[in-house]
Amino acid sequence: AQTVTQSQPEMSVQEAETVTLSCTYDTSESDYYLFWYKQPPSRQMILVIRQEAYKQQNATENRFSVNFQKAAKSFSLKISDSQLGDAAMYFCAYRSGGGTSYGKLTFGQGTILTVHP
Amino acid sequence: NAGVTQTPKFRVLKTGQSMTLLCAQDMNHEYMYWYRQDPGMGLRLIHYSVGEGTTAKGEVPDGYNVSRLKKQNFLLGLESAAPSQTSVYFCASSYSWTGGEAFFGQGTRLTVV
Repeated sequence: AQTVTQSQPEMSVQEAETVTLSCTYDTSESDYYLFWYKQPPSRQMILVIRQEAYKQQNATENRFSVNFQKAAKSFSLKISDSQLGDAAMYFCAYRSGGGTSYGKLTFGQGTILTVHP
Repeated sequence: NAGVTQTPKFRVLKTGQSMTLLCAQDMNHEYMYWYRQDPGMGLRLIHYSVGEGTTAKGEVPDGYNVSRLKKQNFLLGLESAAPSQTSVYFCASSYSWTGGEAFFGQGTRLTVV
């Protein structure tokens, strides 16, 4: 079974600075997808960024980018120019690419990000 | 386009009571899921469905039952609630093609006293 580990229960950053959230995973599969979800106080789960394992290029979405190290099974999220609205719980998640996985997600424990003005 | 809608958003139950959480999606997704979120444990899969009339167990299915009589609805039932079932419950749906994004409902905060 796959596991996802987020070793940072809490992180903080100053507004306009850069912060990196860590995620490691364990799998024997070669075909999979990795996600970062944001959960603000409203509880809504918002997809931040997605990475396909077969792509060597790191995914980028505006101020959000990932450092995907497939051999090391590491998938960190970098938030540049942090804004107050980035304050939230962030979850790393894994989805197998196999047809019988049926899109099930395995989540990490979450990291609470605080942004200081 | 409402996406994924959960009903209710909050509920308090007494131990031993029963209840049903309703999830409705309007995106014609084949796959639907129920997760629970507990502090320090992330989200864990309770049950899922790969199409109308199908259900399957996830990681933590004990104490829960599900049904998917219509493609757009996925119901989660607690027959005899226990304090250990105090949690935030999320419904999600996704396309059946590989790598499809999961869309989540707003969550239901359930407290069992």
